Amino acid sequence: AQKITQTQPGMFVQEKEAVTLDCTYDTSDQSYGLFWYKQPSSGEMIFLIYQGSYDEQNATEGRYSLNFQKARKSANLVISASQLGDSAMYFCAMREGKYIQGAQKLVFGQGTRLTINP
Amino acid sequence: DVKVTQSSRYLVKRTGEKVFLECVQDMDHENMFWYRQDPGLGLRLIYFSYDVKMKEKGDIPEGYSVSREKKERFSLILESASTNQTSMYLCASSPGGRSNQPQHFGDGTRLSIL
Repeated sequence: AQKITQTQPGMFVQEKEAVTLDCTYDTSDQSYGLFWYKQPSSGEMIFLIYQGSYDEQNATEGRYSLNFQKARKSANLVISASQLGDSAMYFCAMREGKYIQGAQKLVFGQGTRLTINP
Repeated sequence: DVKVTQSSRYLVKRTGEKVFLECVQDMDHENMFWYRQDPGLGLRLIYFSYDVKMKEKGDIPEGYSVSREKKERFSLILESASTNQTSMYLCASSPGGRSNQPQHFGDGTRLSIL
């Protein structure tokens, strides 16, 4: 069974510091994808970044980058120059290798609550 | 812009009631999903649909059913609500065709069963 593990239930970081949120995964598939989502206190899930298992470069989107270490099965999210608005829950998710009629199932980790202190 | 709309942000129902949660997307996406979110457990997939009238069970389908009569609308039904179904429910949609596009989520419905 596919599994995602986020070992940090909560993190506290000073504003403007960089922060790394950990994510490890377990899969026997060769083809898979990893997503990070942000969930502010208002509840909506916001897509941040995606990494495919065959992508050779680490994904980057503005202040977000994904530190993808395939051999270690880790896909850590790095936020540079953190801001107060980054305070939220962060979820790592993995797409299962198989598609069902074009639909991809996602498996989510438990989440990490990030708090940015001024 | 992408929009997934869930009919209620907060809902309070009683045990034994039949409960309907509605979700509408305006992106012409083929796929739609229902998750529930509980503290410490992340999001767990209840059901998903890849086409009108088509549905597949997720990881925790027991006690739930779904309906998709139109492409843009996906309903989650609690046939006889129980207190252990108190949770946050999130709807999502995504394009079909083996795309690596992310799933887009609604704002969620906080459901309390008394």
